[in-house]
Amino acid sequence: QQQVKQSPQSLIVQKGGIPIINCAYENTAFDYFPWYQQFPGKGPALLIAIRPDVSEKKEGRFTISFNKSAKQFSLHIMDSQPGDSATYFCAASRDSDKLIFGTGTRLQVFP
Amino acid sequence: ETGVTQTPRHLVMGMTNKKSLKCEQHLGHNAMYWYKQSAKKPLELMFVYNFKEQTENNSVPSRFSPECPNSSHLFLHLHTLQPEDSALYLCASSQQKGDGYTFGSGTRLTVV
Repeated sequence: QQQVKQSPQSLIVQKGGIPIINCAYENTAFDYFPWYQQFPGKGPALLIAIRPDVSEKKEGRFTISFNKSAKQFSLHIMDSQPGDSATYFCAASRDSDKLIFGTGTRLQVFP
Repeated sequence: ETGVTQTPRHLVMGMTNKKSLKCEQHLGHNAMYWYKQSAKKPLELMFVYNFKEQTENNSVPSRFSPECPNSSHLFLHLHTLQPEDSALYLCASSQQKGDGYTFGSGTRLTVV
């Protein structure tokens, strides 16, 4: 059973655009929501994470928006650059249990 | 390097071979994980070790056998694999279960 649903599967934007990747979860007990970035030939790397006590978190050009009532969270990339081209994974966990990952979104940013 | 080192980076093996994947971390983390990454599928958790003890086996076939001799090292022993086992095998560690994971670069396994 897929507990974290991620969309879209792929995304193409031009440089400077604001790609948005969405995730929805089912388990209301989840209390930790990280995003990972994976470049070809590399393992995923932690990008930014949020806990449900806040609705938004920014780190540089990356922002997580969190909607607890809708059980959704999203990643926004401001002023996207070709170097942001990668696959992005959302994830969720509860009570320090293992992470459950989404299916990934392949982002391409063209110059 | 992320602090989690996986060897080898690439492995081609026949279905009758026995091989092992190695993962090493010197981050002082207490939890280590094996994940399987196949195209167009979510990351599949295989095994979880917490303080060297296996705490989860996610219904993984017995042809995959993990070993965690200490908190810094994790192995995945492979034998009589099938072509559908071809994938990227990722090792990760975290200070404790549920914290942000640090992943290695993975081992690209091809079973022929």
